Amino acid sequence: DQQVKQNSPSLSVQEGRISILNCDYTNSMFDYFLWYKKYPAEGPTFLISISSIKDKNEDGRFTVFLNKSAKHLSLHIVPSQPGDSAVYFCAASEGMQGAQKLVFGQGTRLTINP
Amino acid sequence: KAGVTQTPRYLIKTRGQQVTLSCSPISGHRSVSWYQQTPGQGLQFLFEYFSETQRNKGNFPGRFSGRQFSNSRSEMNVSTLELGDSALYLCASSLELRSYGYTFGSGTRLTVV
Repeated sequence: DQQVKQNSPSLSVQEGRISILNCDYTNSMFDYFLWYKKYPAEGPTFLISISSIKDKNEDGRFTVFLNKSAKHLSLHIVPSQPGDSAVYFCAASEGMQGAQKLVFGQGTRLTINP
Repeated sequence: KAGVTQTPRYLIKTRGQQVTLSCSPISGHRSVSWYQQTPGQGLQFLFEYFSETQRNKGNFPGRFSGRQFSNSRSEMNVSTLELGDSALYLCASSLELRSYGYTFGSGTRLTVV
């Protein structure tokens, strides 16, 4: 059972335009959400996160939106740059005592076209 | 400062063999987690270690095991390898448990033939 889903395996966007990556989740206990970016032959790198008590978090060109009622989050990149071409993973974490376990989506490959 | 180091970078093994992967976390990081990445499945959580104790485990068979040493370095072992174990295995470290500041290594690409 995939608790975190990224339904678009790939996305192609023109340079300078907005990139919107989507993520849906099923577990209502998730209380923290993260986006990671991964280049080939490298490990994922943390991009931006949002707590369930917020509905928006912004960091430079990156903004994450959380819609708890729809169990949906999205990552907006504005403006998109060629260096943004990578695989993006959303991840969710459930509030609990002790150890942390991130549940990742399958990833969306973003290609920025010049 | 040095990042998370995983060795080896690439491995080719035959079915039935066993393999050990190594992960050295960032200096000072005490939590180490392991993930398996396969096409179409994304990253799947294997287990997390903190203070030499396994704190959480994902839904993987008992053939997958791990351990953490007193210097926080961690190893992951897979016994009786199957073709389906071919994947990129990623290690991530963080300062503490429940710390979202994960830093991932570049991974070990395991191919089972």
